[in-house]
Amino acid sequence: DAKTTQPTSMDCAEGRAANLPCNHSTISGNEYVYWYRQIHSQGPQYIIHGLKNNETNEMASLIITEDRKSSTLILPHATLRDTAVYYCIVKAGTALIFGKGTTLSVSS
Amino acid sequence: EAGVAQSPRYKIIEKRQSVAFWCNPISGHATLYWYQQILGQGPKLLIQFQNNGVVDDSQLPKDRFSAERLKGVDSTLKIQPAKLEDSAVYLCASSSYVGQTLAGGYTFGSGTRLTVV
Repeated sequence: DAKTTQPTSMDCAEGRAANLPCNHSTISGNEYVYWYRQIHSQGPQYIIHGLKNNETNEMASLIITEDRKSSTLILPHATLRDTAVYYCIVKAGTALIFGKGTTLSVSS
Repeated sequence: EAGVAQSPRYKIIEKRQSVAFWCNPISGHATLYWYQQILGQGPKLLIQFQNNGVVDDSQLPKDRFSAERLKGVDSTLKIQPAKLEDSAVYLCASSSYVGQTLAGGYTFGSGTRLTVV
Protein backbone atom coordinates (compact mmCIF):
# COMPACT_ATOMS: atom_id res chain seq x y z
CA ASP A 1 0.00 0.00 0.00
CA ALA A 2 1.14 3.56 -0.75
CA LYS A 3 2.70 5.58 2.04
CA THR A 4 0.95 8.72 3.28
CA THR A 5 2.32 11.90 4.85
CA GLN A 6 0.24 13.98 7.23
CA PRO A 7 1.08 16.90 9.51
CA THR A 8 1.56 15.86 13.11
CA SER A 9 -0.93 18.33 14.51
CA MET A 10 -3.37 21.07 13.55
CA ASP A 11 -5.55 23.55 15.37
CA CYS A 12 -8.98 24.81 14.39
CA ALA A 13 -11.45 27.25 15.91
CA GLU A 14 -14.90 25.93 16.69
CA GLY A 15 -17.37 26.65 13.89
CA ARG A 16 -14.67 27.07 11.27
CA ALA A 17 -13.80 24.58 8.55
CA ALA A 18 -11.01 22.14 9.32
CA ASN A 19 -8.94 21.18 6.28
CA LEU A 20 -6.68 18.21 6.88
CA PRO A 21 -4.12 17.51 4.13
CA CYS A 22 -2.60 14.20 3.13
CA ASN A 23 0.15 13.48 0.62
CA HIS A 24 0.22 10.11 -1.14
CA SER A 25 2.51 10.71 -4.09
CA THR A 26 3.13 7.00 -4.78
CA ILE A 27 -0.54 6.05 -4.98
CA SER A 28 -1.48 3.50 -7.63
CA GLY A 29 -4.46 3.66 -9.91
CA ASN A 30 -6.53 1.11 -8.01
CA GLU A 31 -5.80 2.38 -4.51
CA TYR A 32 -8.53 4.08 -2.53
CA VAL A 33 -8.00 6.93 -0.05
CA TYR A 34 -9.65 6.30 3.33
CA TRP A 35 -10.05 8.63 6.27
CA TYR A 36 -10.63 7.49 9.83
CA ARG A 37 -10.58 9.32 13.12
CA GLN A 38 -9.94 8.20 16.65
CA ILE A 39 -11.34 10.03 19.61
CA HIS A 40 -9.56 9.45 22.88
CA SER A 41 -10.18 5.98 24.40
CA GLN A 42 -12.30 4.84 21.47
CA GLY A 43 -11.68 2.67 18.43
CA PRO A 44 -11.10 4.36 15.05
CA GLN A 45 -14.23 5.57 13.29
CA TYR A 46 -14.73 5.48 9.53
CA ILE A 47 -15.28 8.91 7.99
CA ILE A 48 -15.14 8.72 4.21
CA HIS A 49 -13.29 7.17 1.29
CA GLY A 50 -12.78 7.85 -2.42
CA LEU A 51 -10.92 6.76 -5.52
CA LYS A 52 -10.86 9.63 -8.01
CA ASN A 53 -13.88 11.83 -7.55
CA ASN A 54 -14.58 14.15 -4.68
CA GLU A 55 -16.88 12.64 -2.09
CA THR A 56 -19.24 14.09 0.51
CA ASN A 57 -21.25 12.53 3.28
CA GLU A 58 -22.90 13.71 6.46
CA MET A 59 -19.60 13.87 8.29
CA ALA A 60 -17.12 15.38 5.84
CA SER A 61 -15.97 16.05 2.31
CA LEU A 62 -12.99 14.46 0.60
CA ILE A 63 -11.18 16.38 -2.11
CA ILE A 64 -8.72 14.34 -4.21
CA THR A 65 -6.40 16.16 -6.61
CA GLU A 66 -6.61 15.29 -10.28
CA ASP A 67 -3.24 13.52 -10.21
CA ARG A 68 -4.38 11.72 -7.04
CA LYS A 69 -1.10 12.48 -5.28
CA SER A 70 -2.78 14.33 -2.45
CA SER A 71 -6.14 14.77 -0.78
CA THR A 72 -7.85 16.97 1.78
CA LEU A 73 -10.44 16.02 4.34
CA ILE A 74 -12.80 18.89 5.11
CA LEU A 75 -14.91 19.13 8.24
CA PRO A 76 -17.15 22.07 7.27
CA HIS A 77 -18.06 23.31 10.74
CA ALA A 78 -15.72 21.87 13.33
CA THR A 79 -17.01 21.32 16.86
CA LEU A 80 -15.21 20.47 20.07
CA ARG A 81 -16.27 16.86 19.57
CA ASP A 82 -14.19 16.72 16.38
CA THR A 83 -11.01 16.86 18.45
CA ALA A 84 -9.32 13.57 17.53
CA VAL A 85 -6.49 11.90 15.65
CA TYR A 86 -7.28 11.74 11.93
CA TYR A 87 -5.74 9.00 9.80
CA CYS A 88 -5.33 9.12 6.04
CA ILE A 89 -4.86 5.63 4.57
CA VAL A 90 -4.24 4.54 1.01
CA LYS A 91 -5.39 1.00 0.49
CA ALA A 92 -5.44 -1.50 -2.30
CA GLY A 93 -5.17 -4.71 -0.40
CA THR A 94 -7.65 -6.10 2.07
CA ALA A 95 -6.35 -4.55 5.32
CA LEU A 96 -5.98 -0.96 6.50
CA ILE A 97 -2.46 0.06 7.46
CA PHE A 98 -2.45 3.04 9.82
CA GLY A 99 0.24 5.72 10.14
CA LYS A 100 0.55 8.19 13.00
CA GLY A 101 -2.16 10.52 11.73
CA THR A 102 -2.87 14.20 12.45
CA THR A 103 -3.99 15.32 15.88
CA LEU A 104 -6.72 17.93 15.33
CA SER A 105 -7.47 20.19 18.27
CA VAL A 106 -10.68 22.20 18.05
CA SER A 107 -10.99 25.04 20.53
CA SER A 108 -13.69 27.55 21.41
CA GLU B 1 -27.04 -2.27 13.88
CA ALA B 2 -25.12 -3.55 16.88
CA GLY B 3 -21.45 -2.63 16.90
CA VAL B 4 -18.34 -4.75 17.35
CA ALA B 5 -18.30 -6.10 20.89
CA GLN B 6 -15.07 -6.65 22.78
CA SER B 7 -14.31 -7.89 26.26
CA PRO B 8 -12.87 -7.33 28.72
CA ARG B 9 -12.57 -3.55 28.56
CA TYR B 10 -9.48 -3.49 30.78
CA LYS B 11 -7.01 -6.13 31.95
CA ILE B 12 -3.97 -5.96 34.20
CA ILE B 13 -1.66 -8.95 34.39
CA GLU B 14 1.85 -9.73 35.48
CA LYS B 15 4.54 -10.52 32.94
CA ARG B 16 4.73 -14.17 31.95
CA GLN B 17 1.02 -14.65 32.63
CA SER B 18 -1.46 -15.44 29.89
CA VAL B 19 -4.46 -13.40 28.77
CA ALA B 20 -7.28 -13.74 26.25
CA PHE B 21 -9.43 -11.17 24.50
CA TRP B 22 -12.78 -11.80 22.89
CA CYS B 23 -14.43 -10.13 19.91
CA ASN B 24 -17.89 -10.47 18.40
CA PRO B 25 -18.09 -8.73 15.00
CA ILE B 26 -21.08 -7.17 13.30
CA SER B 27 -23.49 -9.83 12.14
CA GLY B 28 -22.80 -10.85 8.57
CA HIS B 29 -19.32 -9.36 8.38
CA ALA B 30 -17.08 -12.04 6.97
CA THR B 31 -13.79 -10.26 7.59
CA LEU B 32 -12.38 -9.75 11.07
CA TYR B 33 -9.18 -7.98 12.12
CA TRP B 34 -7.14 -7.69 15.29
CA TYR B 35 -4.99 -4.58 15.76
CA GLN B 36 -2.52 -3.64 18.47
CA GLN B 37 -2.24 0.04 19.38
CA ILE B 38 0.65 1.13 21.55
CA LEU B 39 0.28 4.52 23.23
CA GLY B 40 1.03 7.37 20.85
CA GLN B 41 1.04 5.19 17.73
CA GLY B 42 -1.48 4.23 15.08
CA PRO B 43 -3.08 0.77 15.19
CA LYS B 44 -0.90 -2.05 13.89
CA LEU B 45 -2.52 -5.00 12.14
CA LEU B 46 -1.87 -8.32 13.86
CA ILE B 47 -4.11 -10.73 11.98
CA GLN B 48 -6.92 -10.77 9.44
CA PHE B 49 -9.56 -13.48 9.09
CA GLN B 50 -11.90 -14.15 6.18
CA ASN B 51 -14.70 -16.27 7.65
CA ASN B 52 -12.73 -18.80 9.72
CA GLY B 53 -9.58 -18.74 7.59
CA VAL B 54 -6.46 -16.61 8.14
CA VAL B 55 -5.75 -14.12 5.33
CA ASP B 56 -2.74 -12.37 6.84
CA ASP B 57 -0.88 -13.04 10.08
CA SER B 58 2.52 -11.80 8.98
CA GLN B 59 2.72 -9.26 11.83
CA LEU B 60 1.55 -11.62 14.57
CA PRO B 61 4.34 -12.64 16.99
CA LYS B 62 3.53 -16.30 16.75
CA ASP B 63 5.86 -17.38 19.53
CA ARG B 64 3.48 -15.80 22.05
CA PHE B 65 0.35 -14.63 20.26
CA SER B 66 -2.39 -16.83 18.84
CA ALA B 67 -5.82 -16.13 17.44
CA GLU B 68 -8.73 -18.17 16.26
CA ARG B 69 -12.11 -17.62 14.72
CA LEU B 70 -13.97 -20.87 15.02
CA LYS B 71 -17.24 -21.05 13.06
CA GLY B 72 -16.36 -17.79 11.32
CA VAL B 73 -18.13 -15.54 13.80
CA ASP B 74 -16.52 -14.43 17.06
CA SER B 75 -12.80 -14.51 17.66
CA THR B 76 -10.29 -14.87 20.49
CA LEU B 77 -6.79 -13.39 20.68
CA LYS B 78 -4.44 -14.91 23.24
CA ILE B 79 -1.05 -13.88 24.58
CA GLN B 80 1.06 -16.45 26.40
CA PRO B 81 3.39 -15.55 28.06
CA ALA B 82 2.88 -11.77 28.20
CA LYS B 83 5.78 -9.31 28.14
CA LEU B 84 5.93 -5.73 29.35
CA GLU B 85 6.01 -4.48 25.76
CA ASP B 86 2.61 -6.10 25.10
CA SER B 87 0.98 -3.31 27.08
CA ALA B 88 -1.36 -1.75 24.53
CA VAL B 89 -4.95 -1.45 23.40
CA TYR B 90 -6.11 -4.44 21.38
CA LEU B 91 -8.71 -3.47 18.82
CA CYS B 92 -11.02 -5.74 16.89
CA ALA B 93 -12.67 -4.63 13.65
CA SER B 94 -14.95 -6.19 11.08
CA SER B 95 -15.91 -5.39 7.52
CA SER B 96 -17.83 -6.70 4.54
CA TYR B 97 -16.71 -6.91 0.95
CA VAL B 98 -18.62 -6.88 -2.27
CA GLY B 99 -16.35 -8.83 -4.55
CA GLN B 100 -12.92 -7.27 -4.11
CA THR B 101 -14.32 -3.90 -3.02
CA LEU B 102 -14.60 -2.94 0.63
CA ALA B 103 -18.19 -1.94 1.20
CA GLY B 104 -17.79 1.21 3.26
CA GLY B 105 -15.30 1.10 6.07
CA TYR B 106 -14.24 -1.05 8.95
CA THR B 107 -16.21 -0.95 12.18
CA PHE B 108 -13.99 -1.03 15.24
CA GLY B 109 -14.80 -2.08 18.75
CA SER B 110 -13.80 0.03 21.74
CA GLY B 111 -10.80 -2.19 22.43
CA THR B 112 -9.26 -3.94 25.41
CA ARG B 113 -6.62 -2.00 27.30
CA LEU B 114 -3.94 -4.41 28.51
CA THR B 115 -1.39 -3.44 31.12
CA VAL B 116 1.45 -5.85 31.81
CA VAL B 117 3.30 -5.19 35.07
